Amino acid sequence: GAGVSQSPSNKVTEKGKDVELRCDPISGHTALYWYRQRLGQGLEFLIYFQGNSAPDKSGLPSDRFSAERTGESVSTLTIQRTQQEDSAVYLCASRLGYNEQFFGPGTRLTVL
Amino acid sequence: ILNVEQSPQSLHVQEGDSTNFTCSFPSSNFYALHWYRWETAKSPEALFVMTLNGDEKKKGRISATLNTKEGYSYLYIKGSQPEDSATYLCAFGGTASKLTFGTGTRLQVTL
Repeated sequence: GAGVSQSPSNKVTEKGKDVELRCDPISGHTALYWYRQRLGQGLEFLIYFQGNSAPDKSGLPSDRFSAERTGESVSTLTIQRTQQEDSAVYLCASRLGYNEQFFGPGTRLTVL
Repeated sequence: ILNVEQSPQSLHVQEGDSTNFTCSFPSSNFYALHWYRWETAKSPEALFVMTLNGDEKKKGRISATLNTKEGYSYLYIKGSQPEDSATYLCAFGGTASKLTFGTGTRLQVTL
């Protein structure tokens, strides 16, 4: 019964460094989403995984961003050569079927 | 680019007041409209998933209506309480899989 978990909860990094964010979805949820919210802006879709289908990467803002998912479990979002504009709260959500999405608590990324 | 707009951007009401917010979205290629509540330092939490034109949903003092033909949904809160203070997000699904979120309405309820 645990919900969606994310780690770390906070990450401060220097410009140019790589970061990896982790999401553990609810067990059995086939769909997994990554979003981000930059200061003063809405939730921005990044990437979507559904089962074994090819992920929908249409929201990734640049080729510095990539994500992987192992089967129907853990996902990692990697940001290479971080820039200050990458500072945001990164949210992960999972979903069963086409119902509501269940969100994790987010990772607050600060790039100095 | 899909345009999902919410108004007002923020709202400050007193305990006991009733209030409502608007979400407008494209009126074509509609699959679903979601409402989420996002309290500070917590995860967004689903309130409603609406799929049919004319849908009305209710959870306690919160209710929502949906008009897919004209592309809007209203969220109502009756008798606001301080614990209702949060950002209310709507999200438009033009397909079964992906949602486009609005920027939210930030509600603050004071005693």
